[in-house]
Amino acid sequence: ETGVTQTPRHLVMGMTNKKSLKCEQHLGHNAMYWYKQSAKKPLELMFVYNFKEQTENNSVPSRFSPECPNSSHLFLHLHTLQPEDSALYLCASSQENSLEQYFGPGTRLTVT
Amino acid sequence: DQQVKQNSPSLSVQEGRISILNCDYTNSMFDYFLWYKKYPAEGPTFLISISSIKDKNEDGRFTVFLNKSAKHLSLHIVPSQPGDSAVYFCAASVRNNKFYFGSGTKLNVKP
Repeated sequence: ETGVTQTPRHLVMGMTNKKSLKCEQHLGHNAMYWYKQSAKKPLELMFVYNFKEQTENNSVPSRFSPECPNSSHLFLHLHTLQPEDSALYLCASSQENSLEQYFGPGTRLTVT
Repeated sequence: DQQVKQNSPSLSVQEGRISILNCDYTNSMFDYFLWYKKYPAEGPTFLISISSIKDKNEDGRFTVFLNKSAKHLSLHIVPSQPGDSAVYFCAASVRNNKFYFGSGTKLNVKP
């Protein structure tokens, strides 16, 4: 499989649940990103990892917890979410010194 | 406060005509701009970019124009094709990998 993959593609969870989103890139990139896209709003950058180190946390609530075990995998651990966290969560990757990001298809999250 | 704005949520164009998608930004420090295209159920895909040292970049049917004094960029698609129907996002950065995105313009190219 090529490109950037995300699982699951759809997720419905209650406010007391704990779940994780997974992202994997097969492009040999060394930077990975989580974005949130709410309805009719711009993509919002949440986290940036460069060479597995978190270099950006865009004031994201602690109920979102990222993990980057290696430069090919990125997780977003979710716990005690709120209904307003329902959105499309997109993962992206890029090569060092390149500003072109490659996106996965996203996980459509619904919090009930 | 939104630093990149796409004020037209949708645009409808006849096949074969020109599509012009617009984007405005507020941060004069932005020096790199990209356009992404997104089909339903897929992630955004990179389309074309432009650096602030240029005012035009062309790639086939797609041309991006940058007007730094007006803090405005536009994407021209000519001729438009039905397969171009998608949501188009512009994005801007200050030469790092932190991008600010617009909210997107949905383009519908009618056959």
